[in-house]
Amino acid sequence: GAVVSQHPSRVICKSGTSVKIECRSLDFQATTMFWYRQFPKQSLMLMATSNEGSKATYEQGVEKDKFLINHASLTLSTLTVTSAHPEDSSFYICSAEQGPDNEQFFGPGTRLTVL
Amino acid sequence: GESVGLHLPTLSVQEGDNSIINCAYSNSASDYFIWYKQESGKGPQFIIDIRSNMDKRQGQRVTVLLNKTVKHLSLQIAATQPGDSAVYFCARGGAGNMLTFGGGTRLMVKP
Repeated sequence: GAVVSQHPSRVICKSGTSVKIECRSLDFQATTMFWYRQFPKQSLMLMATSNEGSKATYEQGVEKDKFLINHASLTLSTLTVTSAHPEDSSFYICSAEQGPDNEQFFGPGTRLTVL
Repeated sequence: GESVGLHLPTLSVQEGDNSIINCAYSNSASDYFIWYKQESGKGPQFIIDIRSNMDKRQGQRVTVLLNKTVKHLSLQIAATQPGDSAVYFCARGGAGNMLTFGGGTRLMVKP
């Protein structure tokens, strides 16, 4: 149980284009999901908290107009990187809360490469 | 500001030996800590957690120790196996269940 998937697993795009990444909780419902970014050989940095049916809460320094988050259902949150640039190339990881202790279960990550 | 950091970026151990990965934290209000394992190209995998009202917690081949006096957390892996090779992160649970991750330690297991 408590499986989280992400799609796509890898994406390569041209600079200036937008990329959508999906995060799904496969066997449970998640009111809250989190989006993280991880640069090579670095730790995970929280970008935003995604709440079903309401606006996401962004961490300081994360541009909400560039990283659009939509949590339209209890099993799906999407992160759209708008007008992507090479510096946005990173490993994007989502997590979903589940259970009485609100444990976070992580997705497998999406590798974004912007050329 | 608050931070969660690690002492050693890389740890190399012989297969069968025990491994100890350390983590320091600065926020005294921290009440929940988690250890994650991340293999290359994958998301973090939960290993074990501990709350601040505990000093020690054991799982299968893993033990987490929490020393609140010196704000230190450690993960002990018994009889380390090649499959344990990965990057290990400590994380602190905070307000709104947000996690703050430490810098990570790469564990390399030599056969």
